[in-house]
Amino acid sequence: AQSVTQPDIHITVSEGASLELRCNYSYGATPYLFWYVQSPGQGLQLLLKYFSGDTLVQGIKGFEAEFKRSQSSFNLRKPSVHWSDAAEYFCAGGRMDSSYKLIFGSGTRLLVRP
Amino acid sequence: GAVVSQHPSRVICKSGTSVKIECRSLDFQATTMFWYRQFPKKSLMLMATSNEGSKATYEQGVEKDKFLINHASLTLSTLTVTSAHPEDSSFYICSAVRTGGKETQYFGPGTRLLVL
Repeated sequence: AQSVTQPDIHITVSEGASLELRCNYSYGATPYLFWYVQSPGQGLQLLLKYFSGDTLVQGIKGFEAEFKRSQSSFNLRKPSVHWSDAAEYFCAGGRMDSSYKLIFGSGTRLLVRP
Repeated sequence: GAVVSQHPSRVICKSGTSVKIECRSLDFQATTMFWYRQFPKKSLMLMATSNEGSKATYEQGVEKDKFLINHASLTLSTLTVTSAHPEDSSFYICSAVRTGGKETQYFGPGTRLLVL
């Protein structure tokens, strides 16, 4: 069955430190992959997406993600975290059935220490 | 581009009343929209797929008579929670896929529903 897993429920980093949020997928083929961010009480904002091609994807707000087929991973990274990055982050994969539906990971809550 | 709005942002209603939530794609056409429900500190739960000009497709366990969905135009989908009860209180989020787009969902800001 298709699935997306975010192993870390929450992560705490110091402001200015680097960040990596993990995402693993289980699909028969390479899915479309997305990272979204959700601030408290808000909807989801698209950070970046991977469909094909270059495996290092640049997104908004200084985020990037790298697709690694050998590890079935699509980890999100940022070299220097800002306090405003504190939020919930969701990794998602597109279903391989042309339905446009997404399979969401359970989310990772990022806390930023001043 | 790719802005999705929801109205209202929050609503409080009495038990037994119906509430309508609107989802609009402001700068693109969306043949397909989705409605999600999110419980506190949880991921999103897909409720239904809304397709312009046709009946919505509901996920298993979602009551279609309880959650009425209408997608009357390429920029508007509505979710009506009928005869709302306190257990329907939740955060409802819609998303839209650009017509001809590649499976990228753009999300609205969400609607907080509280049923007293």
